[in-house]
Amino acid sequence: KAGVTQTPRYLIKTRGQQVTLSCSPISGHRSVSWYQQTPGQGLQFLFEYFSETQRNKGNFPGRFSGRQFSNSRSEMNVSTLELGDSALYLCASSANNEQFFGPGTRLTVL
Amino acid sequence: KNEVEQSPQNLTAQEGEFITINCSYSVGISALHWLQQHPGGGIVSLFMLSSGKKKHGRLIATINIQEKHSSLHITASHPRDSAVYICAALNYGGSQGNLIFGKGTKLSVKP
Repeated sequence: KAGVTQTPRYLIKTRGQQVTLSCSPISGHRSVSWYQQTPGQGLQFLFEYFSETQRNKGNFPGRFSGRQFSNSRSEMNVSTLELGDSALYLCASSANNEQFFGPGTRLTVL
Repeated sequence: KNEVEQSPQNLTAQEGEFITINCSYSVGISALHWLQQHPGGGIVSLFMLSSGKKKHGRLIATINIQEKHSSLHITASHPRDSAVYICAALNYGGSQGNLIFGKGTKLSVKP
């Protein structure tokens, strides 16, 4: 089975722009979660989707949003980018409480 | 105080040494994950525990629910074990992706 894939792997944006990141889960997995990793805060939960519904949301501003499609692929969007949004964004698909992480998208905001 | 605390933050060992990384949590959990992250960012899930002990090769993970404490042990450590090890708690009643992470333990194993 193919693993979790994320695109793009690297991204450079400027402040004020918006960005969309994509995550394709392992085939058959219906749960996709997104995480942000920064040197200061470490890993933090952003949100989780299951069968196209947001099941949980972490403590992030409304500029961070996401969605899930009927094929379980998920996207997250960050609007009005700030310097502090520079981070590694990871998604994970899960089944039976086991998490399978993608390689991440490294976002740099200039 | 963080809800999930790891110790030590950094650990340097000689090849062959026995290594222990500790994780304490203050929330009620339904499971605890141990994750491994190599330079470059990729994360691999090593264990998911809700009670007792699990073993995979040279890695052993234990959890004591009453004491809210988990440990990850590496026997006969090897330079390829050098990575950041992260514990993550799944809140009791929470959905499976809603994890609370420790800050990680950076392990360096010298040959």
